[in-house]
Amino acid sequence: AQRVTQPEKLLSVFKGAPVELKCNYSYSGSPELFWYVQYSRQRLQLLLRHISRESIKGFTADLNKGETSFHLKKPFAQEEDSAMYYCALKKMTGNQFYFGTGTSLTVIP
Amino acid sequence: EPEVTQTPSHQVTQMGQEVILRCVPISNHLYFYWYRQILGQKVEFLVSFYNNEISEKSEIFDDQFSVERPDGSNFTLKIRSTKLEDSAMYFCASKQTNTGELFFGEGSRLTVL
Repeated sequence: AQRVTQPEKLLSVFKGAPVELKCNYSYSGSPELFWYVQYSRQRLQLLLRHISRESIKGFTADLNKGETSFHLKKPFAQEEDSAMYYCALKKMTGNQFYFGTGTSLTVIP
Repeated sequence: EPEVTQTPSHQVTQMGQEVILRCVPISNHLYFYWYRQILGQKVEFLVSFYNNEISEKSEIFDDQFSVERPDGSNFTLKIRSTKLEDSAMYFCASKQTNTGELFFGEGSRLTVL
């Protein structure tokens, strides 16, 4: 069965420091992976998806099929990056998204 | 920018009562979803809806739950007889195409007493 694991519930970094939010998945097929972000008092919104290979707000994520990981990285964290981050997986078939438990990132000024 | 809207933002109900949560997806979207998030837990899939019928549903989505798109704009989630464990934030989401981005509403917080 498919599963998304985000091992860190809480993560604090200082402004300007690098940040990495971990995401591991289990799925026997070829998944589509996403990162969603929820800023304080706002709705869940898409941050990036692996197939687009973009950098959004300085964040990047690379799908590593060998390690079944899709870690989110940013070289220099900013205060406005403080938010809840969710990793999500969509299977090859069907429309269902599977979410991890989320990581709350706090960037300390 | 078009948004998914949900009402009510918060509803408090007694156990055993029926609840209807309403969603207005983005107008040209074709795929609709309900998710829920119990406090402190992960966002869980409930149901997806396409072409006026349920396309997938999870184990959580039992006979107490139903969805409807009564008038071509609203997408509702009904819980027939609420239980304490139904207390959660319920998110509606929609997307335009099968491979498109999923857009979420702000959520409806349901508290069952």
